[in-house]
Parts: sequence; C-alpha cells; structure tokens
Amino acid sequence: LAKTTQPISMDSYEGQEVNITCSHNNIATNDYITWYQQFPSQGPRFIIQGYKTKVTNEVASLFIPADRKSSTLSLPRVSLSDTAVYYCLVGRGSTLGRLYFGRGTQLTVWP
Amino acid sequence: DARVTQTPRHKVTEMGQEVTMRCQPILGHNTVFWYRQTMMQGLELLAYFRNRAPLDDSGMPKDRFSAEMPDATLATLKIQPSEPRDSAVYFCASGLSGDEQYFGPGTRLTVT
Repeated sequence: LAKTTQPISMDSYEGQEVNITCSHNNIATNDYITWYQQFPSQGPRFIIQGYKTKVTNEVASLFIPADRKSSTLSLPRVSLSDTAVYYCLVGRGSTLGRLYFGRGTQLTVWP
Repeated sequence: DARVTQTPRHKVTEMGQEVTMRCQPILGHNTVFWYRQTMMQGLELLAYFRNRAPLDDSGMPKDRFSAEMPDATLATLKIQPSEPRDSAVYFCASGLSGDEQYFGPGTRLTVT
C-alpha cells in the first residue's frame, strides 16, 4: 500500500498560483496519482488524476516527473473558495485496491 | 445532478446502543465505500463493495462493525454496541470501474 507525504498546511493569497507537492516513493508501476479536495462539513471531491507527465483540466494541473516518486498539484490564480484540504492518493483505482487518504494539506487562501 | 445520499446526517446516541447508517449510491455505480473521518486519524477506509460483494473490510473493527449491501441501491453500516471512540463523521462514496469516487455528505455520529 503506497503511502504519501504532503505538507500539513499552506497559505496563499488570492490570485496567486499554488503548488502542492506530494511524495510517494513506493509508488508501484500500475499506480495512478489522484487528488481530492475537501471543504468543511463536506465529503472529498475528485479534482484530477494522472499517471505520468502532465495532466490539465478546468480546475487544476498535475505534474508528474519521470520517476513518478512525487507529483505536484497546481492551482492557478486561487480564490478564497479554494480554501480546503487537498489529498494526494496513490493506488490502482477505486475498484482494484485500497486508497490511502492520509491527512491531506490544509490550504488557506487569504484576501 | 446525481448524488450519493446518506441518512441520518446527524446521530447522537448513548454508549452501548446500536447505530445504523444508510447510504444510497449513485444509480449505476458498482462500487461503494465506507470511510470514517476524525481529527486524530484523518480519513480512513473501513470497507468497500463491488457489485454488492464485499472486497475489503480490513479497516473495520469486526467485533462491533458490520457493512452490508442488501441491494444495489442501499448500503448499510452498523455499529453494535457503539462506544464513545466511534464518534466521527462517516462517509459513503460510490463509483464505477474507474477511479473517481463520489462522496456523500456524511453522517456525524456522537456517542456519549
């Protein structure tokens, strides 16, 4: 079971780009990297998933180096509403193996 | 807009009582997960089902917890007897054979 390490907390200001890095040294060949976002009093919400190189959607970008031992979630021009906990997960998909959420990174965006 | 629903949203009970939490997954999803979230432990996977069959419940205390899927539209998590240390928010999530899990709003359980 591949576990992840990410910062406990980060602070940013509105309009800035935020990069959250996650370490996953024991990632397996078949593992994907997935990021979730959780607001207070809500369940986590899927943001983005990737296997290698770069993935971009309307919400974020995910950068994965060649060795895949880390990944970086990039949030462009954050707003106050991006204040949330962000989880980095490594696994083989929701139906094939257990996903470990860990403690996540508390991102606080200030005005 | 399809969503996972959970009932009850809040439950306060006394130690020793049975607690039953219910989840209605998104129609058509074949995988259902139960998670528990506390400040101390974060978000922990308790059990998950695929096509109503339990695939992994190793994260669940077997002596007091049980999870079932009586049919494709209902998943239940029972605690009997409940203890104060079971106080947490319990989330249900559902998904298809891909990797995206859709979470419900959670059941906040308080055991006194």
